[in-house]
Amino acid sequence: NAGVTQTPKFHILKTGQSMTLQCAQDMNHGYMSWYRQDPGMGLRLIYYSAAAGTTDKEVPNGYNVSRLNTEDFPLRLVSAAPSQTSVYLCASSYRGETQYFGPGTRLLVL
Amino acid sequence: GQQLNQSPQSMFIQEGEDVSMNCTSSSIFNTWLWYKQDPGEGPVLLIALYKAGELTSNGRLTAQFGITRKDSFLNISASIPSDVGIYFCGSGGSNYKLTFGKGTLLTVNP
Repeated sequence: NAGVTQTPKFHILKTGQSMTLQCAQDMNHGYMSWYRQDPGMGLRLIYYSAAAGTTDKEVPNGYNVSRLNTEDFPLRLVSAAPSQTSVYLCASSYRGETQYFGPGTRLLVL
Repeated sequence: GQQLNQSPQSMFIQEGEDVSMNCTSSSIFNTWLWYKQDPGEGPVLLIALYKAGELTSNGRLTAQFGITRKDSFLNISASIPSDVGIYFCGSGGSNYKLTFGKGTLLTVNP
């Protein structure tokens, strides 16, 4: 099992550009989530999905997700802003409690 | 939202020393999780606790789920240089969403 994989590892965007961060898991987990990690702020939940076909937003604006199948949970930045500079972590779990993380995508928005 | 208070924020110890860190909350949780994050990587699950009072070990690591369900601690015995990293606690309630502490940065001096 590869576990949770994320691409790209690092990316630089200009303000206003859009981008999709990829996340995939091969553990047949129903629950997937996206966090952002900023210095001194810990991990903040952005979006989660309890199962394929369902998503729930935790924070407003600037992000979009889709969950078309069990394996993939891409996160889209609609129009990037410097405030979205962060490390983005994707996680999956069987039910939502014990979550397993991917290696992260480091995003810099200029 | 719910907050976890994790302490200490950072620790600087000598190789061979024991380490203790803890997380507390004003809310009751069903799950306590401990993760370690190395620089440039995603958090890796160390120990998962599911029952109040549960004490679980993973090699030199020991963690306990507090009786009140509002706290947990992680102990590392006989620290080694590769223990360096950021340790996070996470806790979950009935809604399957996790709340995380802000992390403890551990530095081990060889």
